[in-house]
Amino acid sequence: AQSVTQLDSQVPVFEEAPVELRCNYSSSVSVYLFWYVQYPNQGLQLLLKYLSGSTLVESINGFEAEFNKSQTSFHLRKPSVHISDTAEYFCAVSDWGSQGNLIFGKGTKLSVKP
Amino acid sequence: DSGVTQTPKHLITATGQRVTLRCSPRSGDLSVYWYQQSLDQGLQFLIQYYNGEERAKGNILERFSAQQFPDLHSELNLSSLELGDSALYFCASSVDAAITGELFFGEGSRLTVL
Repeated sequence: AQSVTQLDSQVPVFEEAPVELRCNYSSSVSVYLFWYVQYPNQGLQLLLKYLSGSTLVESINGFEAEFNKSQTSFHLRKPSVHISDTAEYFCAVSDWGSQGNLIFGKGTKLSVKP
Repeated sequence: DSGVTQTPKHLITATGQRVTLRCSPRSGDLSVYWYQQSLDQGLQFLIQYYNGEERAKGNILERFSAQQFPDLHSELNLSSLELGDSALYFCASSVDAAITGELFFGEGSRLTVL
């Protein structure tokens, strides 16, 4: 069975500092990988995804994630965070044979302080 | 605004009762997914419907049931409610059942069981 582990439940950082949110997955088959973001009192929104091709994927607001098959990881990074990045971030996985549902990690709360 | 509408936004009820949560997917989306978000379990996939038919089932209790109607809206029925059913219930939709795409989430229905 597939699973997703987000090692850090909370990550506090100062504004303009770099951040890395860690995500590891387990799956016996090839996977698709996703990062979703949940702002306070809102639903989840897709941040970025890896389906195939380049292992480095980027979002429009400066986040990037790298698919590492040997380490079964898909860590999310941003070189300089803003107050507005404060949110909860969820890593998710879906395998090629999936009927369509995503398996989510438990989330990492990113708190950006001035 | 994701285009996915969930009602009610908040619901308080007592143990043993039955509630119905409603979801209207984005215009044109054929797949509807239900997720349960709680502090201890994180985001758990419950069930998926595609064009009126059940497509995939996750960790959905027997006390819970769902359906998708011809107009593609979906309802999640929760019965014999227990304290542990208190959670945020999300509906999401996608164009089709293939998970190479994006899930669009509603803002959730917060259920409190007293």
